[in-house]
Amino acid sequence: EPEVTQTPSHQVTQMGQEVILRCVPISNHLYFYWYRQILGQKVEFLVSFYNNEISEKSEIFDDQFSVERPDGSNFTLKIRSTKLEDSAMYFCASRAGGPRETQYFGPGTRLLVL
Amino acid sequence: AQSVTQPDIHITVSEGASLELRCNYSYGATPYLFWYVQSPGQGLQLLLKYFSGDTLVQGIKGFEAEFKRSQSSFNLRKPSVHWSDAAEYFCAVGDVLTGGGNKLTFGTGTQLKVEL
Repeated sequence: EPEVTQTPSHQVTQMGQEVILRCVPISNHLYFYWYRQILGQKVEFLVSFYNNEISEKSEIFDDQFSVERPDGSNFTLKIRSTKLEDSAMYFCASRAGGPRETQYFGPGTRLLVL
Repeated sequence: AQSVTQPDIHITVSEGASLELRCNYSYGATPYLFWYVQSPGQGLQLLLKYFSGDTLVQGIKGFEAEFKRSQSSFNLRKPSVHWSDAAEYFCAVGDVLTGGGNKLTFGTGTQLKVEL
């Protein structure tokens, strides 16, 4: 069964450093998402991406964040200058088509900012 | 703005007992509702979803959920819990009003522990 994959599974970085989290969505999917889950808190929406542009973003997704689909398979989340409060599990998700289609989630990347 | 409330943070049940996890939502239209499960170290797996029609929906692993518009609820049920059901369960509402992203808004989750 096709699945969303994410790399790395864990990343430790120093405050102020740039990180890139990578995702490979399911191959025929058109809509892509990033969510995050701070330890002990709820899963929160960050950004959605469709047709090579951001379709919606939350207030969390400020200028320090960016997303890109550099080729036909990868979907990346970049944090330019990490802060302690960026420590969280980051989930990528993808969806095939309309809003009734399921969002499929990857296993997540655990980011720790020191 | 849409929101989801899961009033039970932790629930413990005995194996073989029935289970009901509560979910209440706030949304300005007929909602798209989802239940996801997250096992330790795993991503979020869809259990079931509701868009319209029959208010009782069946999902994977023997789970079902009932949409009750009058109570703004979408409770998850299982008649007989297995030890492997121990996990965290998230209720979510899909945004279909703003168009574009159709983001999911999650509840805070319910941690299920199963006693053998």
